[in-house]
Amino acid sequence: SQKIEQNSEALNIQEGKTATLTCNYTNYSPAYLQWYRQDPGRGPVFLLLIRENEKEKRKERLKVTFDTTLKQSLFHITASQPADSATYLCALRAGDYGQNFVFGPGTRLSVLP
Amino acid sequence: NAGVMQNPRHLVRRRGQEARLRCSPMKGHSHVYWYRQLPEEGLKFMVYLQKENIIDESGMPKERFSAEFPKEGPSILRIQQVVRGDSAAYFCASSPPSTGGVYGYTFGSGTRLTVV
Repeated sequence: SQKIEQNSEALNIQEGKTATLTCNYTNYSPAYLQWYRQDPGRGPVFLLLIRENEKEKRKERLKVTFDTTLKQSLFHITASQPADSATYLCALRAGDYGQNFVFGPGTRLSVLP
Repeated sequence: NAGVMQNPRHLVRRRGQEARLRCSPMKGHSHVYWYRQLPEEGLKFMVYLQKENIIDESGMPKERFSAEFPKEGPSILRIQQVVRGDSAAYFCASSPPSTGGVYGYTFGSGTRLTVV
């Protein structure tokens, strides 16, 4: 069956360190993979997109990698800050236009001062 | 330049009543998606609509749930005869017509439905 898994429900790291979140999937062949941030009581906010033919994408302190052989995406936040504390969701979609994005369960990140 | 507007933010219904959730997409967006999020769970896809058309309703429960996106006005998610298990946060997202959401969905703040 198709499944999207994200590493441990919660991740605690010290301010200034790099946070690494994982997204693993089975029985999907996604053409696109996205990462979102969700704060309590709010809707998710889009952060980054990476395509199946891209290995890595960067945006400010964020970096995403996409390994279609391992069926895994890694999401890194460098020089983490307490304001980065939130739940991070990965979402993926197969290539055909008109299909929706499927979301993983999310990882709750806490950056401790 | 308002984002995706959902109302109400909070909705309390007694078992057996009807719940109507509204979503106005971002200006220029004609694709609307509804997701449900249960406490401590991820977002579950329900339905994908374009103006006057349901494109994909594979995530919608077969009974009591319906969705529409009329030519004029907001998209409506309707839940008839609500039960306690319907209690959840319901999120609406929109995307422009030309991208299929590839460059990200814009989400509303959600409607939190509580069935008592």
